[in-house]
Amino acid sequence: DMKVTQMPRYLIKRMGENVLLECGQDMSHETMYWYRQDPGLGLQLIYISYDVDSNSEGDIPKGYRVSRKKREHFSLILDSAKTNQTSVYFCASSPRRVGSDYTFGSGTRLLVI
Amino acid sequence: QQNVQQSPESLIVPEGARTSLNCTFSDSASQYFWWYRQHSGKAPKALMSIFSNGEKEEGRFTIHLNKASLHFSLHIRDSQPSDSALYLCAVETGGYKVVFGSGTRLLVSP
Repeated sequence: DMKVTQMPRYLIKRMGENVLLECGQDMSHETMYWYRQDPGLGLQLIYISYDVDSNSEGDIPKGYRVSRKKREHFSLILDSAKTNQTSVYFCASSPRRVGSDYTFGSGTRLLVI
Repeated sequence: QQNVQQSPESLIVPEGARTSLNCTFSDSASQYFWWYRQHSGKAPKALMSIFSNGEKEEGRFTIHLNKASLHFSLHIRDSQPSDSALYLCAVETGGYKVVFGSGTRLLVSP
């Protein structure tokens, strides 16, 4: 069963702590994405990765960085988390082919207190 | 910069009704369009896509695309309580990137 797996599902962090969100996919998709979802704002693109070590900023990259050292794994890092980074974070993957559906993971609910 | 807007923000319909969801976009060069569905607490999942002007039907769902008016829509025939979800329209902007609308929350009442 093809899927995108995100860990952890729920996370509570204090302001200023570092946060690591992990995402894996078993479809050998070249392209992977990190989005955040907030009420009324839909899905906002944080970073896109076209393949290993080939990452590009999305629409809201400030306060985030990413790492992709293997095609099947894409990490999102928050250095010194802020309360306004409380959100639901979704990872997605797709083949690097125009018109391809995205496959999303189940999301990580992050609360920064 | 692609601007994608959805209407209405929320919608309540009785079971068995026909439901229409709307999406407008700003870049007339856009070529790929989707509707994603997200049940509460779950991942968004691609529902249907359309890549040329006109209509596409899959079961109870129909997409209609009109590039000239920068508009596409999703129609659900015989709406069911299981159709209750957040519906997100999406438009490809180039570079394998997609811009999502903010969503329409649909509730189908039994």
